[in-house]
Parts: sequence; C-alpha cells; structure tokens
Amino acid sequence: GAVVSQHPSWVICKSGTSVKIECRSLDFQATTMFWYRQFPKQSLMLMATSNEGSKATYEQGVEKDKFLINHASLTLSTLTVTSAHPEDSSFYICSARELSGSPGLVYEQYFGPGTRLTVT
Amino acid sequence: GNSVTQMEGPVTLSEEAFLTINCTYTATGYPSLFWYVQYPGEGLQLLLKATKADDKGSNKGFEATYRKETTSFHLEKGSVQVSDSAVYFCALCAWNTGNQFYFGTGTSLTVIP
Repeated sequence: GAVVSQHPSWVICKSGTSVKIECRSLDFQATTMFWYRQFPKQSLMLMATSNEGSKATYEQGVEKDKFLINHASLTLSTLTVTSAHPEDSSFYICSARELSGSPGLVYEQYFGPGTRLTVT
Repeated sequence: GNSVTQMEGPVTLSEEAFLTINCTYTATGYPSLFWYVQYPGEGLQLLLKATKADDKGSNKGFEATYRKETTSFHLEKGSVQVSDSAVYFCALCAWNTGNQFYFGTGTSLTVIP
C-alpha cells in the first residue's frame, strides 16, 4: 500500500525557535496533503490543506503565519512551526491523497506516522 | 454539515471478549466510511472502509457494515486480543465536501489478559 513518511518523528526545541516537519509520499504522487494536530487523548484536528504549487488553505482559528506550509513537489509538503511556544507542543500528523482517480470519487488518505513536538 | 459521533471510552475488555464500538454519522451526500486504528505513539492506520450503503468492510477480524438507514458504521470483533489495545477512530469522507475527512473523537480500547 501507499506509504507516507514524516521526519522527524520526535523533536524537542526551545521556546522561540522554529521547527520544520517534513511529510513525504514515498511511492505515489500526492497533489493534496493535509496537516492535522492531535492533542493527548483527543481526535485529529485538521489544520490546513496543502495543494502542490499553490498556497495552503487553513482552517478557521489556525494562524497561517505561525504554521507555514510549503507543498513544493508532488511528494513533499513541509510544516514549519515558527517561534514555537510550549502550547504548540503536540502530535502533528500529515496525510496524503493520491493523484489518480476520477472526478466524483472519494480518495483514500494515507497517514504519516506523526511527529511529536515538545517545546521547552 | 458532516460529522461523526463515536462511542466514548475508554473501553476495557478481557481477552476473547466481543467488541462493539458504535459510530454514527451525519452527512450531506453519500460519504465513504472508515475505521482507523492508532497504536501508542504511532500515526493512524487504516483498519477498514466501506464506500457505499450495505458494504461491509473487514480486516484482521474486525468488521463494520455501512447502514444508511441508521446512518451507522459500528465496529465489531468477535474475539479481541491484547494486541488490539489501541485507539479507534471512525471517519467519513465525502467528495462533495472536497474530500475532507471528518473524524470521531476516538475510542480507547484496552484488552486485558
């Protein structure tokens, strides 16, 4: 099946620094990638939808200047948490949707293993 | 709008017990329905899915049937194992809402020997 990887799997950083998280589709092309945030023992919250070659679409309440998303190629999207603070500590999960398919069909999303961010 | 309501946990069962985790949905249109599983410290893995009414998804002994009349997609397993301990998420996706996924809040399952 399709594989999505994330790097790093766990990062600890100091307050005020920026952290970049990579999401890669390893064996398929993904025009669309999604970034989710998961708080402990809670469900996934969609942060933004990232389309290759265009600006990301952010969900209401998500600061686009704080969570910078770049989808530079069909296999890579990055999320940069700028000036991180302890409240940004969370589990960040990306998912990718395959390029192929006919209009009107539901595409399956493939999820990465997640990145645990701890801001001290 | 679209939403998913899941049975609240945590759920604790003895090994070989029968499992049911309830999931109901609200959707405009005809969504596809999914169950994802998340093991501790890991991302989500697709467990099973169903794309139209009356479809039954199955995998690793788990089953769920897409019931349009009751807008439900309950997860069942006849005999759980300790290794099934995880968090289970019900989700829906509909093409007419941009293929966005809507997740339930997750149900934590612990299976004790």
